[in-house]
Amino acid sequence: NAGVMQNPRHLVRRRGQEARLRCSPMKGHSHVYWYRQLPEEGLKFMVYLQKENIIDESGMPKERFSAEFPKEGPSILRIQQVVRGDSAAYFCASSPRGTAYGNQPQHFGDGTRLSIL
Amino acid sequence: SQQGEEDPQALSIQEGENATMNCSYKTSINNLQWYRQNSGRGLVHLILIRSNEREKHSGRLRVTLDTSKKSSSLLITASRAADTASYFCATEPPDSSYKLIFGSGTRLLVRP
Repeated sequence: NAGVMQNPRHLVRRRGQEARLRCSPMKGHSHVYWYRQLPEEGLKFMVYLQKENIIDESGMPKERFSAEFPKEGPSILRIQQVVRGDSAAYFCASSPRGTAYGNQPQHFGDGTRLSIL
Repeated sequence: SQQGEEDPQALSIQEGENATMNCSYKTSINNLQWYRQNSGRGLVHLILIRSNEREKHSGRLRVTLDTSKKSSSLLITASRAADTASYFCATEPPDSSYKLIFGSGTRLLVRP
């Protein structure tokens, strides 16, 4: 399966712990996007990354949240000192090309469902 | 702010019937896309319609776009139980084409 791979599928953390969510884009894709989905709602954009670069993190909370997409390995969304309000499904998407080439779909993974106790 | 809003929020139909979902948005767009989400899964891209297109077909799907009214509709013909899912429209803004803006979705139930 050459689709977008996210792990873990489910993650349970206690308040104050750290959560690390991983995303491996589709083969040949160098652009990664993270979204958050609350129950019964649509996805909300968080951050857009290319290899080793954060292009736009305007949708990500300034505190506690960070994202990276290293030269080697998956993209990581990191949430420090989690709180109950961080409980949500986090989706990663990828595309082969970026903003200069609009009108192309993003390919989504199955998400990580984060639950905060 | 949320741009796409779907209508209705929920729809229940009998297998074989057609399902129509509507999406409204607020600002200019490059394109509008429709995605399907099965319970507990990620989004699957269905169809993309560009701002200069008015209608597009893909199998049993028909999408229309009216940029003057800032609205789109998704028609699923001859529905099947397997079409049961949530359907989201997403708009791609011209100034930040990567930043898809999703509506809150229509939950479709197709009864066998």
